[in-house]
Amino acid sequence: GNSVTQMEGPVTLSEEAFLTINCTYTATGYPSLFWYVQYPGEGLQLLLKATKADDKGSNKGFEATYRKETTSFHLEKGSVQVSDSAVYFCALRRNTGNQFYFGTGTSLTVIP
Amino acid sequence: GAVVSQHPSWVICKSGTSVKIECRSLDFQATTMFWYRQFPKQSLMLMATSNEGSKATYEQGVEKDKFLINHASLTLSTLTVTSAHPEDSSFYICSAGGGLDYGYTFGSGTRLTVV
Repeated sequence: GNSVTQMEGPVTLSEEAFLTINCTYTATGYPSLFWYVQYPGEGLQLLLKATKADDKGSNKGFEATYRKETTSFHLEKGSVQVSDSAVYFCALRRNTGNQFYFGTGTSLTVIP
Repeated sequence: GAVVSQHPSWVICKSGTSVKIECRSLDFQATTMFWYRQFPKQSLMLMATSNEGSKATYEQGVEKDKFLINHASLTLSTLTVTSAHPEDSSFYICSAGGGLDYGYTFGSGTRLTVV
């Protein structure tokens, strides 16, 4: 089947710290992989995506690389800011059909 | 970029009443829209797939008679929670979009509270 496993939170970091949120997946075929961010009280916003193995998605200082050999798509940022505080969801979408499968989300709090 | 508008952003209703949530694609046509439900501190769970001009496809365990979905046009899908109960209180989010290289766009969500 298809599933996404994310590291459990919550995660609390000091400003300018390095961030890693682990994400691994199980999928049939070759899915596309996504990271979405949800700020308090809001819907999901696409942060970055990768559609094939070895692709690197990047946006706003965040990046993640599609690793087929380890079935992973870990999210990283070199220096987090207070404004990065949110819940981050890793997701996959099969290339046949359009359904998304989400991880459970990781809450990040960045303190000044 | 693509924009999906969801309305209302929050609603409080009494038990036994029905609530309608709208999901609109503002600058593109969406033959398929998805409805998700998010419980507190949990991930999004797909409830149903809404197809323009045909019946929605519901996920296992979702009551189709309770969560009525209508996708009457290429830009509008509605979710009606019928005879709402407090356990229906949740955050409901729709998504639309398409194409292999395109991440689906999500609405801003609707927080439903049933009292």
